[in-house]
Amino acid sequence: EVQLVQSGAEVKKPGTTLKISCKVSGYTFSDYYLHWIQQAPGKRLEWMGLVDPEDGETQYAEKFQGRITITADTSSDTAYMELRGLSSDDTAVYYCLLSRAYWGQGTQVLVSS
Amino acid sequence: IVLTQSPLSTHVTLGQPASMSCTSSESLEDSDGNTFLSWLHQRPGQPPRLLIYKISKRFSGVPDRFSGSGAGTDFTLNITRVEAEDVGFYYCSQATQVPLTFGGGTKVEIK
Repeated sequence: EVQLVQSGAEVKKPGTTLKISCKVSGYTFSDYYLHWIQQAPGKRLEWMGLVDPEDGETQYAEKFQGRITITADTSSDTAYMELRGLSSDDTAVYYCLLSRAYWGQGTQVLVSS
Repeated sequence: IVLTQSPLSTHVTLGQPASMSCTSSESLEDSDGNTFLSWLHQRPGQPPRLLIYKISKRFSGVPDRFSGSGAGTDFTLNITRVEAEDVGFYYCSQATQVPLTFGGGTKVEIK
């Protein structure tokens, strides 16, 4: 059974950095791209970027370019999404998505002073 | 690529059909003839779940009351007989081009 287990909810101050993990099991981690998706309150799902776990290559959405880093650790079958310079606009649920088919359970993030 | 879904919401009687559409701002068919249009279902407080991929292929474990159709820029998700567990939001999504994009969703409620 394919499972993507994400790290827990976070409360962050504006200007700080968020780092979320996504551990994959039941699937060959390096076979497919791992995406990160943002779901902010009242807004549609938004693609943030992806990583190819096989070689670490990344692509990022223009909106997040410059303050996002996505990495993949094949030794632990875990992907990470780091988002810097947080603002209240980053309050959202963040999902990892494997092979465009399997979703993590989501990580709720609240950015508030 | 912008995906536009309609209706915004629909109220359906249990056991009756439901249908919703997704229109793309440009063709989703790639140079190899593949069309990466998917449908997702999301219940409140849950992550989205893949129902349909490549227009009409049901994902593992998805009941056959769900079906997808369409081509190019116009796509449809049909539910033949709505069950109580089908409430929630339905999203179309395209992966033909990066960035992946999602429609705004159709909310399905029971009458």
